[in-house]
Amino acid sequence: NAGVMQNPRHLVRRRGQEARLRCSPMKGHSHVYWYRQLPEEGLKFMVYLQKENIIDESGMPKERFSAEFPKEGPSILRIQQVVRGDSAAYFCASSLPGQGLYEQYFGPGTRLTVT
Amino acid sequence: AQSVTQPDIHITVSEGASLELRCNYSYGATPYLFWYVQSPGQGLQLLLKYFSGDTLVQGIKGFEAEFKRSQSSFNLRKPSVHWSDAAEYFCAVGALGTNAGKSTFGDGTTLTVKP
Repeated sequence: NAGVMQNPRHLVRRRGQEARLRCSPMKGHSHVYWYRQLPEEGLKFMVYLQKENIIDESGMPKERFSAEFPKEGPSILRIQQVVRGDSAAYFCASSLPGQGLYEQYFGPGTRLTVT
Repeated sequence: AQSVTQPDIHITVSEGASLELRCNYSYGATPYLFWYVQSPGQGLQLLLKYFSGDTLVQGIKGFEAEFKRSQSSFNLRKPSVHWSDAAEYFCAVGALGTNAGKSTFGDGTTLTVKP
C-alpha cells in the first residue's frame, strides 16, 4: 500500500510564476490536509479538504493561494504569482473519513524555492 | 485556540545517554497529542500518540511519552539514544469539533547525537 505521494519533491520558480503542488493520498483516504513549514519553524495548517469540498481553509493566505481535491485525481495546492516569502516545504497529509483527528499520514513534502 | 510550545530549540546528547524532549500544550479540553520525527529532507513520521487512558504511551523506535494534565505537558523520552535518532522532533495537538483535523505543531526540537 503506497503512502502519501507528493510531487514534485523540489520545485523552483521565479517570482511572479505559478506553482502547482500535487498530493495523492493513501489508498482509501478521502481527506487531505496541507501544511506549510517555513525554515526553522514547525508545520502550520493551511487547508483541509475532502473530495470536491473544502472543509476548513482558515490557514490559507487570503490571496494567491488556492486548493482543490477533485473527485478524480490528486489534490492540488496552487500558488499564483509566487514571492520569495512563499519559499517553504509544503506537506500534505491524508486520513480516512472522520479519522483525521486520530492519525494523519504525511507525504515527503514539496520544497518550493522562489528565486 | 490550541497551542504547543517546545522550549528547547536544540538539544545535544551523547550516544547511549537518556533523552527527554519537552512539550507543553494549551487546550481547553482533553487534548489529542502526538510526537513526530522528521529526518533532513523527509516528511514526518508518527512516533506515538495519546488520546485517553494510560498516561504513559509507548511508541516506535523505543520512544515513550508521558501525559501530565496538571503540568499541561507531554514530554518525549528515550532511555538510550542511538546516532540514528538525530533528527527534528515535533509535538502536535489535535482538536475536536469544528477544528478536527487541524493539528497544531510546535516549532520543533533539533536533536544532535554526539558519538
